[in-house]
Amino acid sequence: AQRVTQPEKLLSVFKGAPVELKCNYSYSGSPELFWYVQYSRQRLQLLLRHISRESIKGFTADLNKGETSFHLKKPFAQEEDSAMYYCALSGFQGAQKLVFGQGTRLTINP
Amino acid sequence: KAGVTQTPRYLIKTRGQQVTLSCSPISGHRSVSWYQQTPGQGLQFLFEYFSETQRNKGNFPGRFSGRQFSNSRSEMNVSTLELGDSALYLCASSLVLRDNEQFFGPGTRLTVL
Repeated sequence: AQRVTQPEKLLSVFKGAPVELKCNYSYSGSPELFWYVQYSRQRLQLLLRHISRESIKGFTADLNKGETSFHLKKPFAQEEDSAMYYCALSGFQGAQKLVFGQGTRLTINP
Repeated sequence: KAGVTQTPRYLIKTRGQQVTLSCSPISGHRSVSWYQQTPGQGLQFLFEYFSETQRNKGNFPGRFSGRQFSNSRSEMNVSTLELGDSALYLCASSLVLRDNEQFFGPGTRLTVL
């Protein structure tokens, strides 16, 4: 079964501090992992996906198959990073079905 | 380019009624997926359509159904509404079947009284 776990519902850090949002997954095959973000009063949007290996808005995420994790990191948090973050998994290439974690609300304090 | 649009944005129904929600994907996008978002269960996959065919279905009762039209627009229907169906229903579209970047609409907020 596919499952995504985000252990922190809430995360609060100070501006300029490092941020790490945790994501663990359960899937027997070779998954595709994503981070989606929802800023206040905006739509859910893709932040990054593991296959592109990009850094978006200073965020990076590395897929660790051994630990079945896909943690999202940013070295220096900014106030505009405050948002709801969802980790998501797609079980096979071409499948549009996303399995989402419960989300982590990140608050950056000034 | 216009984003994914969903109508109506808000809906209030009573138990036992049925409801139809509509989604217009981004122009050129042929894949449409639906999700239910609730505080308790989070975001849960409902269905996925491509070229008018349902390719995948989530673990929801048969009261939840959907379809896709030749212009890629999609509708979902919920019959015999229950209080627990109150949720934000999100539609997402993507360009091609093998591209998992899904673009989400603003959602339809359904309240069942």
